[in-house]
Amino acid sequence: SAVISQKPSRDICQRGTSLTIQCQVDSQVTMMFWYRQQPGQSLTLIATANQGSEATYESGFVIDKFPISRPNLTFSTLTVSNMSPEDSSIYLCSVEDRGGRVSEQYFGPGTRLTVT
Amino acid sequence: GQQLNQSPQSMFIQEGEDVSMNCTSSSIFNTWLWYKQDPGEGPVLLIALYKAGELTSNGRLTAQFGITRKDSFLNISASIPSDVGIYFCAGSGVDSSYKLIFGSGTRLLVRP
Repeated sequence: SAVISQKPSRDICQRGTSLTIQCQVDSQVTMMFWYRQQPGQSLTLIATANQGSEATYESGFVIDKFPISRPNLTFSTLTVSNMSPEDSSIYLCSVEDRGGRVSEQYFGPGTRLTVT
Repeated sequence: GQQLNQSPQSMFIQEGEDVSMNCTSSSIFNTWLWYKQDPGEGPVLLIALYKAGELTSNGRLTAQFGITRKDSFLNISASIPSDVGIYFCAGSGVDSSYKLIFGSGTRLLVRP
């Protein structure tokens, strides 16, 4: 399966600021996704990062708060804007591996964000 | 929207014991996946199931896709300390092949 890295691995940020998280894959993948995992909770899909076009957001998530870029088939960024303590979570990117099936998603190690 | 009910929420077992956890849904899923998440890591895919009734093994792990397509279980035989972690079921429904819905997770603790 694809090897996925995320930067930063963790950060502590002040409320009102923004943080951009990077996701890098070692091979070209068609679909990339961003998830949020709140403390002690399960994973919730934020959006699908589409290469060359605007991301597709899930209900409850908006582009102004979570802008996403996908400039090519191996890289994506998620920005958490105007942060508040409620944004403290683990943010995970995942990819659909071209060798597998669409619903087989593989995850990066996550970015642990704490907002003070 | 679609939801998955995963149980139990947590388990504290003795090393060597077998473990069973399951997920149920009120709606049909086309795919069931089981992941394990260690502290500070992203979820790792353990088993993927694609057909109703399918039974698949991966080492000491066995998972089944329920006949009704509304449930799945994961068994771990002869548990060892490194089995400790959080196990998530996930499913993709009939309306979207890529959108995964995750269960709430089962936290497994193993006593040596």
